[in-house]
Amino acid sequence: QVQLQQSGPGLLKASQTLSLTCAISGDSVSSNSAAWSWIRQSPSRGLEWLGRTYYRSKWDSDYAPPVKSRITINPDTSKNQFSLQLNSVTPEDTAVYYCAREAYTSGGYYCGVDVWGQGTTVTVSS
Amino acid sequence: DIQMTQSPSSLSASVGDRVTITCRASQGLSNSLAWYQQKPGKAPKLLVYVASRLESGVPSRFSGSGSGTDYTLTISSLQPEDFASYYCQQYYTIPWTFGQGTKVEIK
Repeated sequence: QVQLQQSGPGLLKASQTLSLTCAISGDSVSSNSAAWSWIRQSPSRGLEWLGRTYYRSKWDSDYAPPVKSRITINPDTSKNQFSLQLNSVTPEDTAVYYCAREAYTSGGYYCGVDVWGQGTTVTVSS
Repeated sequence: DIQMTQSPSSLSASVGDRVTITCRASQGLSNSLAWYQQKPGKAPKLLVYVASRLESGVPSRFSGSGSGTDYTLTISSLQPEDFASYYCQQYYTIPWTFGQGTKVEIK
């Protein structure tokens, strides 16, 4: 059974950097049939996909345009985990942050976000 | 970005009712559409992908259908554990985007 365990601080001040880590058990961050994502949820913005990292012969990443200039998602193969770094946060970045697995079939077809972390409530004060 | 519009935003229903939730995309998705259920304080749970394929372990009372820009999630006979919020998600084009959600409440 695949499980994701999130860790990281929940309180930040504006202009600081948000850093969260997601430890994977039951799967590998280097899997060719998964992508590892960060998704956030707030009352004002709903569910918002932020980006992902994945390995397909080489490491690659995709990011949502609204955060592309501020975000980095990195894999850590030595610890089988991945991380989120979001720079220059503002109160608008206040949300519950989830790490998640996007699953793919062996043929490369997307199967949805099938595993989620427990969520981390991040509050940014001004 | 592809905009996803769900309707209704909320509904009240009774146990045993048939419930239908609709999701409309701002452009065609070629069935690249998933549905999720979320209960308060919990992460979303995958129900359906490729518009109509049920995730393993999801009860058969849930079904998905649709094509092009219009998709539907149907619960054939609402059970007490189904009272929750439901979200659609497109994965046709990055960035993946979600609908705003439909809250299913007890009548």
